[in-house]
Amino acid sequence: NAGVTQTPKFQVLKTGQSMTLQCAQDMNHEYMSWYRQDPGMGLRLIHYSVGAGITDQGEVPNGYNVSRSTTEDFPLRLLSAAPSQTSVYFCASSYSGLSLTLHFGNGTRLTVT
Amino acid sequence: GIQVEQSPPDLILQEGANSTLRCNFSDSVNNLQWFHQNPWGQLINLFYIPSGTKQNGRLSATTVATERYSLLYISSSQTTDSGVYFCAPEYSGAGSYQLTFGKGTKLSVIP
Repeated sequence: NAGVTQTPKFQVLKTGQSMTLQCAQDMNHEYMSWYRQDPGMGLRLIHYSVGAGITDQGEVPNGYNVSRSTTEDFPLRLLSAAPSQTSVYFCASSYSGLSLTLHFGNGTRLTVT
Repeated sequence: GIQVEQSPPDLILQEGANSTLRCNFSDSVNNLQWFHQNPWGQLINLFYIPSGTKQNGRLSATTVATERYSLLYISSSQTTDSGVYFCAPEYSGAGSYQLTFGKGTKLSVIP
């Protein structure tokens, strides 16, 4: 199994451009989430989903949109990129239930100039 | 939301030494996970440990949920243990389905 797959691995954007970070999992996990990691910080939750058609905001949702049309995919959209969104983005998935056990993708390093 | 503090922030060990990493959290939790982020940035799940003690080779973890802390023990450290260790508790109250990460302990194991 591939697990959690993120694309692209690296991306450079100019301020104001839009793009979508892709995340796919093949473990039939109901729960999926996006985190960002900044230097010296832990991971901060952007958005999450507990199933197809259901999304919710995390700690730092501003500037990002998500949708969940299938169980497998959970794309993250930046509508108008800003330098403050320069970061490493991680997608993670888990079975839902009483508690979560996250499995992470390998990350996307995004630079906004 | 829940507050998470990890200590120490940085740790340098000679190969073969033992260490204990600590994670304090401010509220009751359903779950707690420990992760290792290797020097290439990959996040690896080490333990799922809402309470009690678990062992996996040279690593073990203990969570005392009633006292709101968890410990990660690394014995006979190796250079491959280098990286950043994160704990991430899941708050059990309103707003669950959110793991909150600490800022991590950066471990460097030198030969």
